[in-house]
Amino acid sequence: QSVLTQPPSVSGAPGQRVTISCTGSSSNIGAGYDVHWYQQLPGTAPKLLIYGNSNRPSGVPDRFSGSKSGTSASLAITGLQAEDEADYYCQSYDSSLSGSLVFGGGTKLTVL
Amino acid sequence: QITLKESGPTLVKPTQTLTLTCTFSGFSLSTSGVGVGWIRQPPGKALEWLALIYWDDDKRYSPSLKSRLTITKDTSKNQVVLTMTNMDPVDTATYYCAHYGSGPFDYWGQGTLVTVSS
Repeated sequence: QSVLTQPPSVSGAPGQRVTISCTGSSSNIGAGYDVHWYQQLPGTAPKLLIYGNSNRPSGVPDRFSGSKSGTSASLAITGLQAEDEADYYCQSYDSSLSGSLVFGGGTKLTVL
Repeated sequence: QITLKESGPTLVKPTQTLTLTCTFSGFSLSTSGVGVGWIRQPPGKALEWLALIYWDDDKRYSPSLKSRLTITKDTSKNQVVLTMTNMDPVDTATYYCAHYGSGPFDYWGQGTLVTVSS
């Protein structure tokens, strides 16, 4: 069971907007630690998508955005494209686990 | 250009010790703020952070696996080594190393699949 909770799956039609939530607690997201998001295309290594809650690395389309509030964070994808079909993971730091890095359980995005 | 590549055995027997090497280029592990971490992913399952070593040799481990893990670095060879003792079939996974950029894992290796079976 992951420290950060994500929905197992989300789906949307091309062109639509979807959001993926990442729910933590007062010892991780709620304590003010940054949330990062990764995209994992089938059969490939994860790729950094959003860092520091809402920042995009160079080359990541602005269709991807991140936000954080309280003990949760969200990843939003607008103008959904078939190539966005992938697994998405959130990651943060947890102070209750001897300074542990933690990942969410992952969310499978299906483009209908 | 930062690149990382994992190497090690693809098959280990239960109770054996796994040794994985991450060989990287494009950065130095003696630069302040830099780290290299290990993350694994069992087939069809989520990512799990294992260990992290910083430029100053500070080391952090997953609390659930701490007793079995050791992470070391060889700055001159641009390598980070992870050892995991007492391997079990549940440890079958793809093991990734990644550059830690003061928060996110911003560059990842391609991963190496390790199967634990007798």
